Amino acid sequence: DTEVTQTPKHLVMGMTNKKSLKCEQHMGHRAMYWYKQKAKKPPELMFVYSYEKLSINESVPSRFSPECPNSSLLNLHLHALQPEDSALYLCASSPVGDEQFFGPGTRLTVL
Amino acid sequence: QQQVKQSPQSLIVQKGGIPIINCAYENTAFDYFPWYQQFPGKGPALLIAIRPDVSEKKEGRFTISFNKSAKQFSLHIMDSQPGDSATYFCAASGYGGATNKLIFGTGTLLAVQP
Repeated sequence: DTEVTQTPKHLVMGMTNKKSLKCEQHMGHRAMYWYKQKAKKPPELMFVYSYEKLSINESVPSRFSPECPNSSLLNLHLHALQPEDSALYLCASSPVGDEQFFGPGTRLTVL
Repeated sequence: QQQVKQSPQSLIVQKGGIPIINCAYENTAFDYFPWYQQFPGKGPALLIAIRPDVSEKKEGRFTISFNKSAKQFSLHIMDSQPGDSATYFCAASGYGGATNKLIFGTGTLLAVQP
């Protein structure tokens, strides 16, 4: 298996909802990433997990809560989001210190 | 010093032409320079990458040229096709141990006309 998968593909949520995004990879990569991408902009790093431990948090608001249950799985828990949080959320993985491979993303719309 | 500057913002070429996208960086600690291709509604796909010990790398129709002294690198797409129409991002990073924090350029929207 040589890909990063993300579910769901699309998500619409209200500002009071709680939802989760899921990312999975079976390439044995030990680093996993969450990015946010707005239209016509580059991906913006949110969190990095290395060996299942949070190693980078790019000052992301607490309404975004990452979780890495095991080396293949990465979740992003969402709560009380704002309409400006609507974006494409991308997961990526990499072998230690090497290329990052991105998933297809979850298109999130916050109403 | 952490920025990667990318140009042009958009580019239109005819089929068979050779679009060239340029990137420049300041941080001399960067030692890994990938290019990503992104189609609308999809995640970025790693296209080709280079390290500073070589000046050029080719993979199929895609070539990276790297100028270490000028701190610049560029992507050339040979014999471009309409299917190459996408947004291209350059990026740079320095080896940071277990993780690899990529600094992205602002992106170039390429349109290849038939």
